[in-house]
Amino acid sequence: RKEVEQDPGPFNVPEGATVAFNCTYSNSASQSFFWYRQDCRKEPKLLMSVYSSGNEDGRFTAQLNRASQYISLLIRDSKLSDSATYLCVVNLMDSSYKLIFGSGTRLLVRP
Amino acid sequence: DVKVTQSSRYLVKRTGEKVFLECVQDMDHENMFWYRQDPGLGLRLIYFSYDVKMKEKGDIPEGYSVSREKKERFSLILESASTNQTSMYLCASWASNTEAFFGQGTRLTVV
Repeated sequence: RKEVEQDPGPFNVPEGATVAFNCTYSNSASQSFFWYRQDCRKEPKLLMSVYSSGNEDGRFTAQLNRASQYISLLIRDSKLSDSATYLCVVNLMDSSYKLIFGSGTRLLVRP
Repeated sequence: DVKVTQSSRYLVKRTGEKVFLECVQDMDHENMFWYRQDPGLGLRLIYFSYDVKMKEKGDIPEGYSVSREKKERFSLILESASTNQTSMYLCASWASNTEAFFGQGTRLTVV
């Protein structure tokens, strides 16, 4: 089983739609959680960290459920510029500081 | 402006050649990582380092080695390049409780 699993998509949605991505992780020693965004042929960049209480940044809301080992990202009022691949990232801090990436969920927002 | 710089954007090498991929960061981060990214497989961790001269194997270390003689520089070495090592290679640097920053990537083609 992969350490971090995501639905690969693609999610094809119209502008203005609300879309949700899910991510599950297998290692309960995971300490920190992030969503990264990767545009085509570019390097990944941090979208937002995910906190235990859930957090919001404009149209983006991230949630963490430690009991179920599950992370989500909600995008409201989708824009064309949101089209990208969204990567779920988990930091394992058992014996060292590994950053484990999911394989990403591709989002296409159409006019 | 924070920077992770990879020495080459595009590289073409012949089978059997020894290949060096260099990564330099200017943020004084302890942790540095090498990933490869392939379609449908996401980012897979090759090696990482949490201190000078310290290294640990990631998920796919076979055929690779690394060197970290100075804190700012983390090198990935392909001892004898093979065609299945054709990929996008991404270097990242990270300190605890901060975001990970990526280099722009090196697209390596082994012919």
